[in-house]
Amino acid sequence: DADVTQTPRNRITKTGKRIMLECSQTKGHDRMYWYRQDPGLGLRLIYYSFDVKDINKGEISDGYSVSRQAQAKFSLSLESAIPNQTALYFCATSDLGSGIGNEQFFGPGTRLTVL
Amino acid sequence: GQNIDQPTEMTATEGAIVQINCTYQTSGFNGLFWYQQHAGEAPTFLSYNVLDGLEEKGRFSSFLSRSKGYSYLLLKELQMKDSASYLCAVPSTGANNLFFGTGTRLTVIP
Repeated sequence: DADVTQTPRNRITKTGKRIMLECSQTKGHDRMYWYRQDPGLGLRLIYYSFDVKDINKGEISDGYSVSRQAQAKFSLSLESAIPNQTALYFCATSDLGSGIGNEQFFGPGTRLTVL
Repeated sequence: GQNIDQPTEMTATEGAIVQINCTYQTSGFNGLFWYQQHAGEAPTFLSYNVLDGLEEKGRFSSFLSRSKGYSYLLLKELQMKDSASYLCAVPSTGANNLFFGTGTRLTVIP
């Protein structure tokens, strides 16, 4: 079984709709992240969380919100989706105690299209 | 803040050697990562360098020079499956997360 899972894997929605992307992990890591990836722009950090009570904005948080429901679950919401939020979204986890800096483990990604 | 520069695209021949360069600027160095990402898939960890020098891991090696703000990933005996994007990344200030470069898309041709 995959250590980091994301649902849904693909989603097509319309402008103005509310969308939630979910991430679950079985690695026991405290730290979780949401990124989006666009062609030519690379991976950009949206939000990150170091534990259930800790939420931090990343580079591009406008238009997004998150919820850390448990150590293993971190959800990303688009309250009112717009076409320029069409992208590939990745969830990632890390454990500073691993001894390898801040190595991050990525989920398989969610391809979101906003029409 | 951080800044990372990598070539956008490279092409190399199966069986050959290719070197992918990365230059970075960061306040407070906490190591440098290389990730591999096949099209439409998740990035996967390749290497982590925190000290100067070359780290070898099978067909892949990674080099770091902290004084020059420079790293490279060396891929030997290229295979078709090595066609992918290679992402250079450094921990952000405070090491709270990773800052990624835009990646180098490598195409291996027969």
